[in-house]
Amino acid sequence: NAGVTQTPKFQVLKTGQSMTLQCAQDMNHNSMYWYRQDPGMGLRLIYYSASEGTTDKGEVPNGYNVSRLNKREFSLRLESAAPSQTSVYFCASSVRGASYEQYFGPGTRLTVT
Amino acid sequence: AQTVTQSQPEMSVQEAETVTLSCTYDTSESDYYLFWYKQPPSRQMILVIRQEAYKQQNATENRFSVNFQKAAKSFSLKISDSQLGDAAMYFCAYRSGGSNYKLTFGKGTLLTVNP
Repeated sequence: NAGVTQTPKFQVLKTGQSMTLQCAQDMNHNSMYWYRQDPGMGLRLIYYSASEGTTDKGEVPNGYNVSRLNKREFSLRLESAAPSQTSVYFCASSVRGASYEQYFGPGTRLTVT
Repeated sequence: AQTVTQSQPEMSVQEAETVTLSCTYDTSESDYYLFWYKQPPSRQMILVIRQEAYKQQNATENRFSVNFQKAAKSFSLKISDSQLGDAAMYFCAYRSGGSNYKLTFGKGTLLTVNP
């Protein structure tokens, strides 16, 4: 099993450009998440999908949109990138239920100039 | 809203010795879960240990153990017999037992292991 995969691993954008970060999991998990990690801030939840067909805002959703394409895939879109969105983005997935751990992808380092 | 505080931005330990990383949290809930994640330089987030709030017994995973003090809202991680491979950023995280699925992370503690 590949676990949680993310593409791309690195990306540089100019201010105002758009892009989609892709995430897929092969563990048959119901729930998927997008986090961002900034220096000295820990990880913060952007959006999550408790199950296929549902999405909800997390702590820092402004400037982002998500799509739960199917049970395996959960994408994060930046419509008009801003320098404040320079960060490392992590996708995670888990079995539905609070006791279950979240499995993380390798992350995408995004720089917006 | 729940908050998680890691008061030690950096810690260091000699190889083979023991180190304790601190974490406190603030919540009004009685049903929740606590986690320690490790992030080595590879950036991959790896679960180290998990504690259910309803369990009085402290969780243990090989050289890693926790001291869970529910009344004090404290959840520290003890690493025994530290190894060079333990060097990483460590994050404490909180998850509600209700319908909110999100993990709330602390800001992390950078652990250095000296040979």
